[in-house]
Amino acid sequence: NAGVMQNPRHLVRRRGQEARLRCSPMKGHSHVYWYRQLPEEGLKFMVYLQKENIIDESGMPKERFSAEFPKEGPSILRIQQVVRGDSAAYFCASSPPEGISGNTIYFGEGSWLTVV
Amino acid sequence: QKEVEQDPGPLSVPEGAIVSLNCTYSNSAFQYFMWYRQYSRKGPELLMYTYSSGNKEDGRFTAQVDKSSKYISLFIRDSQPSDSATYLCAMSAGLTGGGNKLTFGTGTQLKVEL
Repeated sequence: NAGVMQNPRHLVRRRGQEARLRCSPMKGHSHVYWYRQLPEEGLKFMVYLQKENIIDESGMPKERFSAEFPKEGPSILRIQQVVRGDSAAYFCASSPPEGISGNTIYFGEGSWLTVV
Repeated sequence: QKEVEQDPGPLSVPEGAIVSLNCTYSNSAFQYFMWYRQYSRKGPELLMYTYSSGNKEDGRFTAQVDKSSKYISLFIRDSQPSDSATYLCAMSAGLTGGGNKLTFGTGTQLKVEL
């Protein structure tokens, strides 16, 4: 019974490079979320997606960040032209379809991005 | 003012003590309330989930929600060294399409000493 799977767990990028973080939701879950956790801060909502649709991206930075959840395959969080301030832990979470298990949200183990 | 306020601690207690963790919030639309436990360099692990006001018990953990005071609590009985972690409160008003956009507190760091 696999949980939310994220990869890579650790990623090092030089300033200006691109970072791609992948997330496979729990089996049966149709909602995917991305959160960012900066050092000494709480988790901040970034984006909420369903298959092929971005539902709420109110927490996404206006530039360089994008997310997708294609019909087939994992959800991808893409950060272009990374800067040192992007260094953080990025967590993916998933929840079941509406009305099932109270929309309980489960998190993956995170992807730690370090920009050097 | 943050939507969710949580004392960051650290909170240090002896093994066997009862631990009380709390959060206050300002958004009266919140109706789903959760507590997560997070170990260092790990993902948040769901401990308790409650809807609206009331109490919920699960083993050594009890969650309380008082919507009139905008105040939630997590109690841990008979605390163990393995309970040492950061505890995050989270809450949501729900979302269009059935999703759940969580607003987190900053977390309380708990250490249970032998």
